[in-house]
Amino acid sequence: GAGVSQSPRYKVAKRGQDVALRCDPISGHVSLFWYQQALGQGPEFLTYFQNEAQLDKSGLPSDRFFAERPEGSVSTLKIQRTQQEDSAVYLCASSYRSSAGLTEAFFGQGTRLTVV
Amino acid sequence: GNSVTQMEGPVTLSEEAFLTINCTYTATGYPSLFWYVQYPGEGLQLLLKATKADDKGSNKGFEATYRKETTSFHLEKGSVQVSDSAVYFCALSEAETSYDKVIFGPGTSLSVIP
Repeated sequence: GAGVSQSPRYKVAKRGQDVALRCDPISGHVSLFWYQQALGQGPEFLTYFQNEAQLDKSGLPSDRFFAERPEGSVSTLKIQRTQQEDSAVYLCASSYRSSAGLTEAFFGQGTRLTVV
Repeated sequence: GNSVTQMEGPVTLSEEAFLTINCTYTATGYPSLFWYVQYPGEGLQLLLKATKADDKGSNKGFEATYRKETTSFHLEKGSVQVSDSAVYFCALSEAETSYDKVIFGPGTSLSVIP
């Protein structure tokens, strides 16, 4: 596709429910990032993939959060037993590194998760 | 750790006014610096960037200069338009990682009125 696609755009979950958020990166982009953006705040790093390898998951707030990218393309962020504090917009970004060593990250529109 | 601080909003300006949004950072090494913009209902977009000291990034009339001595990357525009109304995020890419992990500031909301 032309850009990073995320689905669903909106998700309402009852507290305790499991959710799965999908990210389709730009074709050919090796790097993929997940961020969490609380209302009125800047995005906060959650995790990073290089192809299918999850190289950094230091930002995942708890062991209820799990991300995967099994074939190095589509990624899924899963949140188990959702809590109200998980309510946020979840952003996915993909990037490439040019031969000159320059990179640019392209962001999706995000999934707004509301836990009630 | 690395962090970004930017002026609190919201900022309200009249059309054709001069815009400055202050941004300072704390980082180890030599990070790359960015301004991202989020228009209403849209995703984050890269506005401009600078990769080393004294570099000036520019796009759509916006400019920012990487000032290592003051650890700043202030965003400026000489004459804002209503269409510039958005949330602006200052950000840095950590130098110590090889994969451009981006740290964002809290964002500054700008409203431009006719």
